[in-house]
Amino acid sequence: DTEVTQTPKHLVMGMTNKKSLKCEQHMGHRAMYWYKQKAKKPPELMFVYSYEKLSINESVPSRFSPECPNSSLLNLHLHALQPEDSALYLCASSQDFAVGFGELFFGEGSRLTVL
Amino acid sequence: RKEVEQDPGPFNVPEGATVAFNCTYSNSASQSFFWYRQDCRKEPKLLMSVYSSGNEDGRFTAQLNRASQYISLLIRDSKLSDSATYLCVVTSLNRDDKIIFGKGTRLHILP
Repeated sequence: DTEVTQTPKHLVMGMTNKKSLKCEQHMGHRAMYWYKQKAKKPPELMFVYSYEKLSINESVPSRFSPECPNSSLLNLHLHALQPEDSALYLCASSQDFAVGFGELFFGEGSRLTVL
Repeated sequence: RKEVEQDPGPFNVPEGATVAFNCTYSNSASQSFFWYRQDCRKEPKLLMSVYSSGNEDGRFTAQLNRASQYISLLIRDSKLSDSATYLCVVTSLNRDDKIIFGKGTRLHILP
């Protein structure tokens, strides 16, 4: 069982819809991440929050908007997505965002299809 | 951006055999190294951290060669359940290269 919970597991949306992906962890981790993964590719980093502050934005288009309401929650708001945004969106957490980290705990992912 | 490279495979290996694959990294300032395992349509899961002295967990042995800048993963007595993609992860001090995933090596264990 994963200790990082993501909802929904599957999401189908049209290009004009607004939806959100949610992620929750209760391990006391202070760093949380959003990754995007296409089939047969490695996870691609989108955003990193450290101590509830946005630490890294990997030049992600503004149609993806992250939010970290508190240290346990991470949201990804989606608006006006394109079909090429269809992918598995993975949330991860780690104890901290500092040297020597890298032990990421991933959620099961939200599989997004944009029509 | 620094690179982390893996042979994509697939490695097709009979059950019970030993298989090994490597991951090379180009940033000599890299600090920490990990192997993750990802099953088809599942999330990546940490398999092992890789230490300078090498480490072993059951049938799995991971080694780090800093001089040649690669890490390795050896799987002994392979099981059907070992079939997965194995992702190499490297972290470094450089902010731009904080966590880098390799593209993964696909392993198929054949009955």
